Amino acid sequence: AQSVTQPDIHITVSEGASLELRCNYSYGATPYLFWYVQSPGQGLQLLLKYFSGDTLVQGIKGFEAEFKRSQSSFNLRKPSVHWSDAAEYFCAVGGNTGNQFYFGTGTSLTVIP
Amino acid sequence: ETGVTQTPRHLVMGMTNKKSLKCEQHLGHNAMYWYKQSAKKPLELMFVYNFKEQTENNSVPSRFSPECPNSSHLFLHLHTLQPEDSALYLCASSPTGWAQYFGPGTRLLVL
Repeated sequence: AQSVTQPDIHITVSEGASLELRCNYSYGATPYLFWYVQSPGQGLQLLLKYFSGDTLVQGIKGFEAEFKRSQSSFNLRKPSVHWSDAAEYFCAVGGNTGNQFYFGTGTSLTVIP
Repeated sequence: ETGVTQTPRHLVMGMTNKKSLKCEQHLGHNAMYWYKQSAKKPLELMFVYNFKEQTENNSVPSRFSPECPNSSHLFLHLHTLQPEDSALYLCASSPTGWAQYFGPGTRLLVL
């Protein structure tokens, strides 16, 4: 069955510290992987996506993610967190139909001064 | 601002009411989507339209009725909803089916 697991419901980091949000997926075919961010009262914004090629992908706002097929993971990282990064982060996996997305339950990020 | 707008932003309705949610995009995208976002649950894909034709209906109850009159507008008609239908309803559009651009959502409360 297709699914996405984000094991961390909530993470707190200090401003300027590094960040890693975990994402594990289960998908029966070649996965297309995505990270979205949702600020309070807003819709989801696409941070980055992986389709093929280089397993380290760069996104907007200084985020990057690494696809590890052997671990079925697609973890999101940022070397130095800013207070404005506080938000909800969602990992998603899709297939070649383009219409089927499976989202994780999200990780809430709090940034403390 | 993603270019996808939704109205109203907040809606309170009784179980016997009829209301509609509206989504609009002028990005030239061919695909539009309705998602339901409930607390502590993954986003649920409800409906997909490609070139104004419905291509997905993920076992959504008939009390939710989508309408796509043109490629820029998408509606979700609501009638005789249940309290468990209270959620954030997100509209999204896409040029290809991959990178989905989301609107800010309508926060719905069913009393």
